[in-house]
Amino acid sequence: QSALTQPASVSGSPGQSITISCTGTSSDVGGYNYVSWYQQHPGKAPKLMIYDVSNRPSGVSNRFSGSKSGNTASLTISGLQAEDEADYYCNSYTSSATLVFGGGTKVTVL
Amino acid sequence: QVQLEQSGAEVKKPGASVKVSCKASGFTLSDYYMHWVRQAPGQGLEWMGWINGNSGVTKYAQKFQDRVTLTRDTSIGTAYMELSRLRSDDTAIYYCARDPSTSGGYFDYWGQRTLVTVSS
Repeated sequence: QSALTQPASVSGSPGQSITISCTGTSSDVGGYNYVSWYQQHPGKAPKLMIYDVSNRPSGVSNRFSGSKSGNTASLTISGLQAEDEADYYCNSYTSSATLVFGGGTKVTVL
Repeated sequence: QVQLEQSGAEVKKPGASVKVSCKASGFTLSDYYMHWVRQAPGQGLEWMGWINGNSGVTKYAQKFQDRVTLTRDTSIGTAYMELSRLRSDDTAIYYCARDPSTSGGYFDYWGQRTLVTVSS
């Protein structure tokens, strides 16, 4: 199972919106509505931000939203804030009943 | 509150095995799937496998199929990950994570981490 494809880095200014893409295949991202997104600050455990493509856990800011089109899922962060600077990973269920992560995207707030 | 307490750091020699524990509190282990994820230094997250906390059924990533064993002891609410035939590139932080889903899979709570260092 190959890792999902994410851009290595995305940047934006405070207040702007950014979108991180996560591209897979019809055997993972495109085949199921089971994409999740995680935020990881340096030295910390990952934190769940979005599950099942577009659902936000309680306590996660509504500035974070998820969507999917075909084999590509996306995480959008609106009203970018300094605290959003972190690594972000997508994850998908696969046709083999396994899960697979994306390579990760480093978000920089300019 | 939900907590996952992992065992401490390990240093192992190449070819040895390591067993990491993950003690659950604030919920019943047998009601959830548990996953293991690792992260090599400076690298991304890598999914290793899951275990059904109730039945003990497991599923592993193909990469680890012949070297990893996930188990659980519901009587003490603890999940385990054993990795055998260790190599230097197994040096990584290992996390356990709880999966509250009934289908698909995602991770809502994570352990605090266990660093495994493989060095001769």
